[in-house]
Amino acid sequence: ETGVTQSPTHLIKTRGQQVTLRCSSQSGHNTVSWYQQALGQGPQFIFQYYREEENGRGNFPPRFSGLQFPNYSSELNVNALELDDSALYLCASSFQGSSYNEQFFGPGTRLTVL
Amino acid sequence: AQSVSQHNHHVILSEAASLELGCNYSYGGTVNLFWYVQYPGQHLQLLLKYFSGDPLVKGIKGFEAEFIKSKFSFNLRKPSVQWSDTAEYFCAVSIRSSASKIIFGSGTRLSIRP
Repeated sequence: ETGVTQSPTHLIKTRGQQVTLRCSSQSGHNTVSWYQQALGQGPQFIFQYYREEENGRGNFPPRFSGLQFPNYSSELNVNALELDDSALYLCASSFQGSSYNEQFFGPGTRLTVL
Repeated sequence: AQSVSQHNHHVILSEAASLELGCNYSYGGTVNLFWYVQYPGQHLQLLLKYFSGDPLVKGIKGFEAEFIKSKFSFNLRKPSVQWSDTAEYFCAVSIRSSASKIIFGSGTRLSIRP
């Protein structure tokens, strides 16, 4: 069974640029959630994708957007990068249909915005 | 809005000491409760979870947590810590009726003196 994988591991961008982060969900899972973990803080929910549609969103501006593909993998896109976007971005996969919402996390992508 | 509070930002213990990390959440309905651990340089891992049933939950590596509904608490305990328990610990909650986001606390950094 393959766990959640994310790419790239690290990324350095400058203010105003755009970035795309990728996530492959765990085998058997159909839902992907994205979280932002700033230094010294807990992960903050960005949004979740199920059946290729957004299924819940946290308090993040529209310049944070995502996609889910038929194979359940997902992308997180961030436009017009700001310095405060520097963080560890975590992807988590789960199976929609379970009320227990157990999510399995990937290793994360560390984004640095200069 | 739902929230999770972790009372201790940084805890320093000697090996073999007992550990208790506090966690309180704010939500009046049915919740799922989690403790995650993030070892240095590693990704977020599930330590234990509570969905229903026995409020005393046992997890990996000798950790346990007790759900006290009347106090909205889910404290993490370990009778005797080891140097390898040095890590960041996150308490988290999800709303049973909403299979989307997990809300994390700000984390407790645990440092164990050898």
